Amino acid sequence: RKEVEQDPGPFNVPEGATVAFNCTYSNSASQSFFWYRQDCRKEPKLLMSVYSSGNEDGRFTAQLNRASQYISLLIRDSKLSDSATYLCVVNTNAGKSTFGDGTTLTVKP
Amino acid sequence: DTAVSQTPKYLVTQMGNDKSIKCEQNLGHDTMYWYKQDSKKFLKIMFSYNNKELIINETVPNRFSPKSPDKAHLNLHINSLELGDSAVYFCASSQEVPGEYTDTQYFGPGTRLTVL
Repeated sequence: RKEVEQDPGPFNVPEGATVAFNCTYSNSASQSFFWYRQDCRKEPKLLMSVYSSGNEDGRFTAQLNRASQYISLLIRDSKLSDSATYLCVVNTNAGKSTFGDGTTLTVKP
Repeated sequence: DTAVSQTPKYLVTQMGNDKSIKCEQNLGHDTMYWYKQDSKKFLKIMFSYNNKELIINETVPNRFSPKSPDKAHLNLHINSLELGDSAVYFCASSQEVPGEYTDTQYFGPGTRLTVL
């Protein structure tokens, strides 16, 4: 079983749609959680950290469920510019991050 | 003001050659990383250095040797290149915050290595 698992998609949604991604992790001692975004042929960039209480940044909402060992990302009112690959990242030990294989989102007009 | 820079951006070389990729960060971070992203876009950590000391060494062939001359630089040297080494190599850096586990990573633009 992979340490971090994501549904690879692709998710194809129309503009304005709400889309949710889930990510599960296997190590219960994991300490910190993130969502990164990677555009085609570019480097990954931090989208948002994920806190235990859940957090929101504009149209993006991240949730963490430690009991079930999953994190989620909700995107409301999708824009064309949201098209990218979304990477779930789990830090299991200081200095090591494990990336999920990514979920590809395409937002269509 | 590039935070994490890598050179070269593209590298095309023959099998069997030895090549190096350089990485520099001007963020003052203590930790630097090398990742490999293959053709399937899977991003895998290779090495991590903290204050010039190796702290993570994932299962990679010993043809890959990282070198950190100072905490702002982490170079990757690859000996006897093979076809399977073709990938995009990303350098990243982070700063651990005492008492927190935020350590956001900042990535360089990547080096696209093609082995012919």
